[in-house]
Amino acid sequence: EEQLLESGGGLVQPGGSLRLSCAVSGFTFRTYAMGWVRQAPGKGLEWVSSISGAGTATDYGDSVKGRFTISRDNSKNSLYLQMNSLRAEDTAVYYCAKAKYGAAARPVFDLWGQGTLVTVSS
Amino acid sequence: EIVLTQSPGTLSLSPGERATLSCRASQSVDSDYVAWYQQKPGQAPRLLIYAASTRATGIPDNFTGSGSGTDFTLTIAGLEPEDFAVYYCQQYGYSPYTFGQGTKLDMK
Repeated sequence: EEQLLESGGGLVQPGGSLRLSCAVSGFTFRTYAMGWVRQAPGKGLEWVSSISGAGTATDYGDSVKGRFTISRDNSKNSLYLQMNSLRAEDTAVYYCAKAKYGAAARPVFDLWGQGTLVTVSS
Repeated sequence: EIVLTQSPGTLSLSPGERATLSCRASQSVDSDYVAWYQQKPGQAPRLLIYAASTRATGIPDNFTGSGSGTDFTLTIAGLEPEDFAVYYCQQYGYSPYTFGQGTKLDMK
């Protein structure tokens, strides 16, 4: 069974850092691009970042560019999101998602994890 | 950035009725790279439609996507109780890859 399991969320102070992880099972991880999508409490979906299957191409939303870094370890079937200089507006549930294709461009997500909550507050 | 505007914000219908959800883009979406997702309370989104009109694996055929350019539609024929949820469109033709604000499908 294909599965994505996020971890690493929690409470962090403004200006702090956090690293999210996503453990993948049930499919050939290196074949597919992956991404992160977030959802602020009571709000809609916002694409955060994507990475190609090989890990050689990445892309970011404007609100996180320069602060967040997406990466993957295909030997460990794991996806990561390093979040620095966190702000209150970064508070959200962060979903790990599998793209239908291998390229980072044009990510349409056909498998989602259950999400991990990140709260940025003093 | 392409802005997606979904309408209506809330749609109240009864089981068995037909739902028509709209998604309008602020500029033409390349090669109809539009997807639709369903999200139920406390759950992750689920992909329904991609490439404007292709059903994702396991999606029943009462879900139909249509449209091109700037205007896209998700139609749900014969609503079942489990279809009442929030629906989002997404354009994945141009970065940043944006979502609409969502349409909540309510049971009347």
